Amino acid sequence: AQSVTQLDSQVPVFEEAPVELRCNYSSSVSVYLFWYVQYPNQGLQLLLKYLSGSTLVKGINGFEAEFNKSQTSFHLRKPSVHISDTAEYFCAVRLNYGGSQGNLIFGKGTKLSVKP
Amino acid sequence: NAGVTQTPKFRVLKTGQSMTLLCAQDMNHEYMYWYRQDPGMGLRLIHYSVGEGTTAKGEVPDGYNVSRLKKQNFLLGLESAAPSQTSVYFCASSYTGTNGYTFGSGTRLTVV
Repeated sequence: AQSVTQLDSQVPVFEEAPVELRCNYSSSVSVYLFWYVQYPNQGLQLLLKYLSGSTLVKGINGFEAEFNKSQTSFHLRKPSVHISDTAEYFCAVRLNYGGSQGNLIFGKGTKLSVKP
Repeated sequence: NAGVTQTPKFRVLKTGQSMTLLCAQDMNHEYMYWYRQDPGMGLRLIHYSVGEGTTAKGEVPDGYNVSRLKKQNFLLGLESAAPSQTSVYFCASSYTGTNGYTFGSGTRLTVV
């Protein structure tokens, strides 16, 4: 069965420090990969996505992620975080069956807490 | 641009009551979804629709029903609410599989 694992449920970090939020997936077919951010009491907003091509993708707010097919990972990184990055981050996978796509499968989320 | 609009934003129900959550999108998206979000559980798919007049079960469909009579609207119904259905409900829509989803701002439902 396909699954998405976010390895850390909570990540505390100081302002201006780098951060990495880890995501691993399992799938028997090729995938599309997404990271979403959820600010308190809001819906989810797309940060970035990997569909094909370059394995390093850049998103909004200075975030980037790298697709590693051999490791089945899609870790999210930011070189210097701000207080405003405090939010919950969700990794998601969509299976690619060639002519159609499956539904998004979400990880359980990682709460990023940026401290001054 | 309204995007995806969910109504109501908050609701308190008594056990056994029924209610309908409305999701409306103005982006002409084919696909629509209902998720529930619970602490530590991420988002779990309740039902989805790949087009007007079609619906399908997701991961946690029990206790819920849906309808997609118009392309822009996707309704989620609870026939007899239970405390286990206390959750935040999110609607989302998508044009194609490569575009990701656009989410509504959520409905916080409490069943007492």
